[in-house]
Amino acid sequence: EDQVTQSPEALRLQEGESSSLNCSYTVSGLRGLFWYRQDPGKGPEFLFTLYSAGEEKEKERLKATLTKKESFLHITAPKPEDSATYLCAVQARGGSQGNLIFGKGTKLSVKP
Amino acid sequence: GAVVSQHPSWVICKSGTSVKIECRSLDFQATTMFWYRQFPKQSLMLMATSNEGSKATYEQGVEKDKFLINHASLTLSTLTVTSAHPEDSSFYICSAAAGQSVNQPQHFGDGTRLSIL
Repeated sequence: EDQVTQSPEALRLQEGESSSLNCSYTVSGLRGLFWYRQDPGKGPEFLFTLYSAGEEKEKERLKATLTKKESFLHITAPKPEDSATYLCAVQARGGSQGNLIFGKGTKLSVKP
Repeated sequence: GAVVSQHPSWVICKSGTSVKIECRSLDFQATTMFWYRQFPKQSLMLMATSNEGSKATYEQGVEKDKFLINHASLTLSTLTVTSAHPEDSSFYICSAAAGQSVNQPQHFGDGTRLSIL
């Protein structure tokens, strides 16, 4: 069964304290892995798509990496405005086209 | 770019009422729209996929007669929760994509919080 597990469930950082969020996945065949940011009461906001192991993408203080079993979202020198829930999702080759399998998310809090 | 608008953002209604939720892609043509449901502290769960002009494809366990989906144009899809009951209370989120390719990421609306009394 295709599955996505994110850890930790919650993460508290001080402003400027870099860290990483983990997304482990089990999928029959990976079409793509997606990272989204979700603010309270809002829909997810697209951040990155990663397609193959070894790929990396960056956006401001965020950098996403991908291996055959997991993805990391590295946050460098975070600011309070980076506080949100970060969602990881995979699109599997065997599933319905477009079907994203989401993890439960990591809730990030950055204190000034 | 890639803005998806969902309306209403919040609905409270009595048991037995039918509720319609609209999802619009504002600045792109969405050949495919998706409807998700999210319970507190749980993952987003796909309910159905709709392609413009054709019948929606429902995920296993989702009642198609309960959750009516219409995708009449390339910018509008609607979800109607028929005869809603308290167990239907949840956060419903739509997403839209310009295609089903992995190169076309889904862009999400801000969701509708549905509370059935």
